[in-house]
Amino acid sequence: EAGVAQSPRYKIIEKRQSVAFWCNPISGHATLYWYQQILGQGPKLLIQFQNNGVVDDSQLPKDRFSAERLKGVDSTLKIQPAKLEDSAVYLCASSARDRLYNSPLHFGNGTRLTVT
Amino acid sequence: SQQGEEDPQALSIQEGENATMNCSYKTSINNLQWYRQNSGRGLVHLILIRSNEREKHSGRLRVTLDTSKKSSSLLITASRAADTASYFCATDGATDSWGKLQFGAGTQVVVTP
Repeated sequence: EAGVAQSPRYKIIEKRQSVAFWCNPISGHATLYWYQQILGQGPKLLIQFQNNGVVDDSQLPKDRFSAERLKGVDSTLKIQPAKLEDSAVYLCASSARDRLYNSPLHFGNGTRLTVT
Repeated sequence: SQQGEEDPQALSIQEGENATMNCSYKTSINNLQWYRQNSGRGLVHLILIRSNEREKHSGRLRVTLDTSKKSSSLLITASRAADTASYFCATDGATDSWGKLQFGAGTQVVVTP
C-alpha cells in the first residue's frame, strides 16, 4: 500500500510569513494526525481528525495555526503568521483507528520548516 | 506534556551487542507502542503491547510491560549498524484520552560496526 504522503519536504520562510503543509493519508484510514517535532524532542500532537471532524486540538496554537480535512481524506496545516519557535518538523500520520483493534500510526516523512 | 520518558537518552554499542532502553509513563494506558525514527525520516511502528500483555516479541525485538510500575522496556538483540536510529515509546491512554498517542523524548541509539 502507498504510504502517507507529505509536501513540501522542506520550507524556509521569514518570521511573520505564512506557510501551508499538505498531507495525503493512507487510503481508507479514518484518523489523521498532525504532530510537531522540535529537534531533539519527541513528536507533540497538534490535532487529530476522525474522518473530517476534529477529535482533539487542545495543543494547537489556534491564534496562528489552523488545520482542515476536507471530505475526510487530504489535510492541510497552516501557520499564519510564523514565529521563530515554529521551526520544527511537521509530521502527518494516519491510522485505521478502531476501539476493538488497537492500530499503529503510519507516518509520512514530514516537512522540515525553518523560520528565519 | 509528554507522557512517556525514555532512559537512557543516548546509547552507543557495537554490532552484535544487545541494546536495552526503558520507558516510564504516568497515567493508565490502553496500549504502549514503540517506534523507530531514522535521521530525517518519519517514525516507523515497531511493536504494540496491550495493557493486559506482559511481553511481546517481533524478530529481534522484545518488549515488556509492567503496568504496576508503569514502565516498559525494549530490547534489541544482536544489533546491526542499520539499527542506528532514535527509538520512541508512545502511550495510548485509556478511556477519555483514547486515541491520543503521546510520545516520549526518545533514546538515540548508535551501533558501530
